[in-house]
Amino acid sequence: NAGVTQTPKFQVLKTGQSMTLQCAQDMNHNSMYWYRQDPGMGLRLIYYSASEGTTDKGEVPNGYNVSRLNKREFSLRLESAAPSQTSVYFCASSADTFSEQYFGPGTRLTVT
Amino acid sequence: GENVEQHPSTLSVQEGDSAVIKCTYSDSASNYFPWYKQELGKGPQLIIDIRSNVGEKKDQRIAVTLNKTAKHFSLHITETQPEDSAVYFCAASKGSNYQLIWGAGTKLIIKP
Repeated sequence: NAGVTQTPKFQVLKTGQSMTLQCAQDMNHNSMYWYRQDPGMGLRLIYYSASEGTTDKGEVPNGYNVSRLNKREFSLRLESAAPSQTSVYFCASSADTFSEQYFGPGTRLTVT
Repeated sequence: GENVEQHPSTLSVQEGDSAVIKCTYSDSASNYFPWYKQELGKGPQLIIDIRSNVGEKKDQRIAVTLNKTAKHFSLHITETQPEDSAVYFCAASKGSNYQLIWGAGTKLIIKP
């Protein structure tokens, strides 16, 4: 039982490049989330998916897109990376809303 | 907009002593308040949560109290141990919405 897995663990991009962060969970959870974590700040929600085929914007969605590919997988795409997107990105899942969120190990992204 | 303030940003206590971390929220409609612990290089992990119809909740050495009138809630850790060293985050639901608004975190250091 791996829980929530994220790939890659580290990534360096140049300004303007694109990439997709992958996330998968094996707990049969309905809800999945993408957060970013910056130094001295708490986590900020980028996008949320209540169930397969549905996505909602969070607090900081600009510059990102998401895809809920199936119940297990939720990907985050940066179409044109900017230095302001340098951050640690966490994927999380929960059985439903207002229940415990299980986090992946994070992806450390640097945009130069 | 809605925000959660967390204090202190760093807390150093002697092993065996108690630690208290406090959070204040702004949205009077918030009804779910989780606490997460984040160890270095890992994603956050839920340690305890409380809902607005409860004033206090305890789980072994950890307790959370909620004062809805004052809009603040606190985490209490008794008989602290070295493994309690980590960053602790409070969060509050955005009204009755699924979104969580996170505090900036408290780095807890347990001195031997």
